[in-house]
Amino acid sequence: GAGVSQSPSNKVTEKGKDVELRCDPISGHTALYWYRQSLGQGLEFLIYFQGNSAPDKSGLPSDRFSAERTGGSVSTLTIQRTQQEDSAVYLCASSLGRVDAYGYTFGSGTRLTVV
Amino acid sequence: TQLLEQSPQFLSIQEGENLTVYCNSSSVFSSLQWYRQEPGEGPVLLVTVVTGGEVKKLKRLTFQFGDARKDSSLHITAAQPGDTGLYLCAGASERGGADGLTFGKGTHLIIQP
Repeated sequence: GAGVSQSPSNKVTEKGKDVELRCDPISGHTALYWYRQSLGQGLEFLIYFQGNSAPDKSGLPSDRFSAERTGGSVSTLTIQRTQQEDSAVYLCASSLGRVDAYGYTFGSGTRLTVV
Repeated sequence: TQLLEQSPQFLSIQEGENLTVYCNSSSVFSSLQWYRQEPGEGPVLLVTVVTGGEVKKLKRLTFQFGDARKDSSLHITAAQPGDTGLYLCAGASERGGADGLTFGKGTHLIIQP
């Protein structure tokens, strides 16, 4: 597609429920990144994919968080048993190549509110 | 862990004034990028600086990378209301950012008409 697409754009969920956030990167972008943006905290790196593999998962805040990418394209970030502190904007970005050369193209994010 | 400190956190000025935003770290970065984010949208890349001492201009915006590649600044001349937004600096490690960029917390800029 023309840009990075994220869905849903907004999600309100009850504490304890599971949620799935989806990211559809720009076609041909092999690298995909997930970040979390909280008020006053800036962008927190969660995980990145090169193709379908995630070399480093250490940025995920807890074992309730998981992510996968299939076919080198769409990625899903899953949060199990959501907690109020999970409320944030979850941003997905893709990159054509080395991010220090090409930079990120971000989606508009999913605003998650846990009540 | 590489950290980027941005200052000021908040800045509200009148249209036509000049301003500078700073991004500092004790770590060396292979490159540094500046993004601008508007409410409800993701950050948009403005510029990438790679070489120590490099200066890049984008219309009224001037970006500079420190000689030691540890800091950067963004200078806006004759600010316009359209410049309002959250400005973020982001550094790539010596691994080229393969492990993700490190972001500063941002500078919230408001330009009053």
